[in-house]
Amino acid sequence: GAVVSQHPSRVICKSGTSVKIECRSLDFQATTMFWYRQFPKQSLMLMATSNEGSKATYEQGVEKDKFLINHASLTLSTLTVASAHPEDSSFYICSARGAGGPDNEQFFGPGTRLTVL
Amino acid sequence: GQSLEQPSEVTAVEGAIVQINCTYQTSGFYGLSWYQQHDGGAPTFLSYNALDGLEETGRFSSFLSRSDSYGYLLLQELQMKDSASYFCAVPTGANNLFFGTGTRLTVIP
Repeated sequence: GAVVSQHPSRVICKSGTSVKIECRSLDFQATTMFWYRQFPKQSLMLMATSNEGSKATYEQGVEKDKFLINHASLTLSTLTVASAHPEDSSFYICSARGAGGPDNEQFFGPGTRLTVL
Repeated sequence: GQSLEQPSEVTAVEGAIVQINCTYQTSGFYGLSWYQQHDGGAPTFLSYNALDGLEETGRFSSFLSRSDSYGYLLLQELQMKDSASYFCAVPTGANNLFFGTGTRLTVIP
């Protein structure tokens, strides 16, 4: 099956620091990538959808100036948490879908655990 | 809007059968998916039902009734490694997935 990687797997930073998370599709071209946030014992909440070469579409309540998404190539999307605060501590997961893939078929990365002190 | 409700927790004995239910309210319906997620890990795809009925994949089966806005995931011959969270999810008209509230399954010896 298709493989999606994320880096880093875990990051601990001080409040006010900006953190960049990378999401890569390793063996397929991802025309669409999704970013989710998951708090402990809760469901995955979609933050934004990004298509290669265009601006991301953010879900209601997600600040686009705080969660900067760049999908510069068909294999890489990045999420930058600007000026992170403790309330941003969460598990961030990306997923990717290939060209022509059905809506139900998304391949998930292993997630990034962000802890803001 | 979308709403997918699941029981929050289920406990079952190793070797037994367990059913995890999902009731949904959606504006437009394209099918129901199931994902498994172990603690700290990525969700992994289990099954997808676009039409009514039962889909079987090894020890796991998934059922859908569109008239009842209801589906379930059936896990047979439970193993300890099946302890995980299970999510139902629906594709939305915006080409993404909306996840249910999740069910934490604990398998006990």
